[in-house]
Amino acid sequence: AQSVTQLGSHVSVSEGALVLLRCNYSSSVPPYLFWYVQYPNQGLQLLLKYTTGATLVKGINGFEAEFKKSETSFHLTKPSAHMSDAAEYFCAVTSGYSTLTFGKGTMLLVSP
Amino acid sequence: DAGVTQSPTHLIKTRGQHVTLRCSPISGHKSVSWYQQVLGQGPQFIFQYYEKEERGRGNFPDRFSARQFPNYSSELNVNALLLGDSALYLCASSLGGTEGGYGYTFGSGTRLTVV
Repeated sequence: AQSVTQLGSHVSVSEGALVLLRCNYSSSVPPYLFWYVQYPNQGLQLLLKYTTGATLVKGINGFEAEFKKSETSFHLTKPSAHMSDAAEYFCAVTSGYSTLTFGKGTMLLVSP
Repeated sequence: DAGVTQSPTHLIKTRGQHVTLRCSPISGHKSVSWYQQVLGQGPQFIFQYYEKEERGRGNFPDRFSARQFPNYSSELNVNALLLGDSALYLCASSLGGTEGGYGYTFGSGTRLTVV
């Protein structure tokens, strides 16, 4: 069985500040990990994914995430927040033929 | 290239009615998955189809059913609607086979409101 825990249902940052959204996963087999972003009344857009190889993954819009097996973590970061980053972010895990298991999401609020 | 297309975008139904939601995957993708996203929660897996065969089913009652057609499009059917079925229903398209390496592309969803 797989599971994802996202710490913090809401994260508030000021524009220009570092963004850090936390994700911890549980998986009995090597995982594939994803971060998706959801804007109001829209579907999910893939930000980045980890499959194999380099543990530091770069995604769209300046986001990146690092896979840390020893900590079972896949935290999402961005050096400088922009107002347009305000949205809900979902971490998800899968492996092989299984389907995606999502966390409950973290709402990112960006203030001017 | 067209992305994942879902129809309708919004729907209002009455309790006890039946609803059919439709999804067209990205051209060349052979797998379709359905997810339910209740307000304030992460998406929950309902069904996955690959090459017209059901590959997986989530923890949903038998009122939920789905199928995949020869052109790989898919329908999700929900019978005897309950107020709790109100949610955003998302369709995800993928190449199929070993999913993890390819990931999933999501449609914009169908917002179902049951009154």
